[in-house]
Amino acid sequence: AQSVTQLGSHVSVSEGALVLLRCNYSSSVPPYLFWYVQYPNQGLQLLLKYTTGATLVKGINGFEAEFKKSETSFHLTKPSAHMSDAAEYFCAVRPFGNEKLTFGTGTRLTIIP
Amino acid sequence: DGGITQSPKYLFRKEGQNVTLSCEQNLNHDAMYWYRQDPGQGLRLIYYSQIVNDFQKGDIAEGYSVSREKKESFPLTVTSAQKNPTAFYLCASSMKDRGNQPQHFGDGTRLSIL
Repeated sequence: AQSVTQLGSHVSVSEGALVLLRCNYSSSVPPYLFWYVQYPNQGLQLLLKYTTGATLVKGINGFEAEFKKSETSFHLTKPSAHMSDAAEYFCAVRPFGNEKLTFGTGTRLTIIP
Repeated sequence: DGGITQSPKYLFRKEGQNVTLSCEQNLNHDAMYWYRQDPGQGLRLIYYSQIVNDFQKGDIAEGYSVSREKKESFPLTVTSAQKNPTAFYLCASSMKDRGNQPQHFGDGTRLSIL
């Protein structure tokens, strides 16, 4: 069975600082990996996804993530935080051939002015 | 614009009552999903459907029921057997594939107990 671990349920960064949200997964088969963002009382919006090919994936709003198979990680980064980045972020994994998406427990990102 | 519509946005349930949450999509997606979201627990899968007139239990199906009579619609009923129904419920859809297509989400329904 696959699982997703997001280290840090709350992360605070200053405006303009680097954002780093961590995600590690366990999967017995090659996975597809996703990052979603959720604003209060809204659904989830796709930030980026890794399927095959290039391991550095660029997404919306200046975010990117790197798939590292040897570390079973898919950490999300953004070089310079903006106030509008304050939200909850979810990492999700879907092994090849599996119908179900497994989510991490989320990381709430706070931006300090 | 294509998307997923969930209604109502807020719903209140009395003890012993069944309530139904609506989910409609106009994305022409084959697969649809229902998730429950509780603080600090991420999203947990309740039911999913890959094709009309067929659906499968997810990880927490007890106390819930679904139907899939039309491709566009996947309503969720929270029955009186669900003893702790207070949560945020999210519906999603995706193209039927081998896993590389993302799921698209509605804006959710917040269910509370009166």
